[in-house]
Amino acid sequence: EDQVTQSPEALRLQEGESSSLNCSYTVSGLRGLFWYRQDPGKGPEFLFTLYSAGEEKEKERLKATLTKKESFLHITAPKPEDSATYLCAVSRGALTFGSGTRLQVQP
Amino acid sequence: KAGVTQTPRYLIKTRGQQVTLSCSPISGHRSVSWYQQTPGQGLQFLFEYFSETQRNKGNFPGRFSGRQFSNSRSEMNVSTLELGDSALYLCASSLGTGATNSPLHFGNGTRLTVT
Repeated sequence: EDQVTQSPEALRLQEGESSSLNCSYTVSGLRGLFWYRQDPGKGPEFLFTLYSAGEEKEKERLKATLTKKESFLHITAPKPEDSATYLCAVSRGALTFGSGTRLQVQP
Repeated sequence: KAGVTQTPRYLIKTRGQQVTLSCSPISGHRSVSWYQQTPGQGLQFLFEYFSETQRNKGNFPGRFSGRQFSNSRSEMNVSTLELGDSALYLCASSLGTGATNSPLHFGNGTRLTVT
């Protein structure tokens, strides 16, 4: 059975304080690992897809990396508008989501 | 370009009733997937439709069903509602099916409350 575990459950940062979110996965035949951002009252918003170990993708203050067992979402110099829940998901057809990391960035 | 539209946004139903939720995908997207989101279980896959055919199904009871129309719009139906069906139901569209790893683009969901 596919499993996705995200840590920490919640993270509070000061504006400008860089950090990383972790996504550990157990899946046979990974087709892709996805990162999403979800704001309260809204649906998840697509951020990145990673396909193979060693791959990295960047978007503004976010960088996602992938190894054979986990993915990291690095947030550099975060701003209050980066506050959201960040979800990772693995794909073998349908997506299996982790429970998310609630990020709060204080000014 | 308009995003995924789900209607209604909020719904309150009584146990035992049935409900139909609607989803209009992004123009040009032919695949529609449905997910249930609850605080306890997180996001769970319900089913996926492509070209009016169900291509994949999650581990939900038969009370949960769906369909897709020729214009790619989709509906989801839940019969004999139970209290545990209270959740945010999210629809997502994509260019290809899950097998192609096309990113999902989600709507803002329908919040269903069963009393």
